[in-house]
Amino acid sequence: QITLKESGPTLVKPTQTLTLTCTFSGFSLTASGVGVGWIRQPPGKALEWLALVYWDDDKRYSPSLKSRLTITKDTSKNQVVLTMTNMDPVDTATYYCAHEPYDILTTYYFDSWGQGTLVTVSS
Amino acid sequence: QSVLTQPPSVSGAPGQRVTISCTGSSSNIGAGYDVHWYQQLPGTAPKLLIYGHNHRPSGVPDRFSGSKSGTSASLAIAGLQAEDDADYYCQSYDSSLSSWVFGGGTKLTVL
Repeated sequence: QITLKESGPTLVKPTQTLTLTCTFSGFSLTASGVGVGWIRQPPGKALEWLALVYWDDDKRYSPSLKSRLTITKDTSKNQVVLTMTNMDPVDTATYYCAHEPYDILTTYYFDSWGQGTLVTVSS
Repeated sequence: QSVLTQPPSVSGAPGQRVTISCTGSSSNIGAGYDVHWYQQLPGTAPKLLIYGHNHRPSGVPDRFSGSKSGTSASLAIAGLQAEDDADYYCQSYDSSLSSWVFGGGTKLTVL
């Protein structure tokens, strides 16, 4: 059974850097083809993909946020960390991490999600 | 403005069949990338509903089905039930953006 859980601050000030940690179990991020991604959802709005790291340390970023994002993995701790610099009130959202499986039939989807963590950006 | 376009809302009575459309372009759905669907109940995380060519994860009823044609895809829900009242999102991959992309979401109301 795959589980993921996000952790980090619930409140950050404008211009600060946000650091979120995704701690997972039930799979290994050393397994071929597996990835962990971050997706966010502002209150009442749609889902937005942010970043993803693959088992081989291949990293992908949303083009619109690439300059502000860094994603890293620590396979010994079963964790993936996302940092986002220069936070702004428009970045207020629930942030989810999710598992992308290795699937020979189809690609680029998330089969397990964390519960999400609400991050509010306010002074 | 989402890369994939969904109707903001649809509704249906219990027992009816509804469909939710997802329109993309030649760099995502039209390029052959699969469309996946998620259900989000109020206050909860999204849950994978349909992936790839109409595959359902274990536990998802066969009342839910997906289809794709050209640059569009659809989610069909047959025999509507009260517990289907939720938000639904389509998702694919866009080669021009090199990004995972989502639709704007559709609120399904079971009357």
